[in-house]
Amino acid sequence: AQSVAQPEDQVNVAEGNPLTVKCTYSVSGNPYLFWYVQYPNRGLQFLLKYITGDNLVKGSYGFEAEFNKSQTSFHLKKPSALVSDSALYFCAVRPMNTGFQKLVFGTGTRLLVSP
Amino acid sequence: AGVTQSPTHLIKTRGQQVTLSCSPISGHRSVSWYQQTPGQGLQFLFEYFSETQRNKGNFPGRFSGRQFSNSRSEMNVSTLELGDSALYLCASSYASGGYTGELFFGEGSRLTVL
Repeated sequence: AQSVAQPEDQVNVAEGNPLTVKCTYSVSGNPYLFWYVQYPNRGLQFLLKYITGDNLVKGSYGFEAEFNKSQTSFHLKKPSALVSDSALYFCAVRPMNTGFQKLVFGTGTRLLVSP
Repeated sequence: AGVTQSPTHLIKTRGQQVTLSCSPISGHRSVSWYQQTPGQGLQFLFEYFSETQRNKGNFPGRFSGRQFSNSRSEMNVSTLELGDSALYLCASSYASGGYTGELFFGEGSRLTVL
């Protein structure tokens, strides 16, 4: 069975500083990996995904994520945080080679960017 | 237009039933439903593709769904319990075979059970 761990409930960073939100996964076979962001009282917005290829994936709003197969990690990063990045971030995994669209989500990490 | 869910908010009492609606992005044939609660996070309910349920999460039979020929989907919860209070999110995708794309989520239906 697949699973995702987001070890930090909250990450605090000052505006302008780099940010990292951690994610590790467990899945049989090769994974599809995703990051989503949720603003208060809103649905989930897609940020980026890893399917195959380059381990560094670039996404929306200046976010990027690095896939590390040996460490089974997919950490979300941004070089310079904005106050508007404050939100709830979810990492998700889906096994490759299945037609099903079920995603398994982590518990979420709240990012708080201070001015 | 994106994924549209209705109603956005609703309040029910224990024992009642509720039906939530989801209209996927035009051309998307897969609709999935997720329950989001502070305690359990995001939990997969079920996925429909071409009017057929092809995957189901670990929820009791009180939770059911269906998909229509136009890909619109509804989910129903019968005999509501307090623990059913949650944000119910619908997601759509083009989704066929080895589709690798992301899911597109609606804004959700927030259900409060009193």
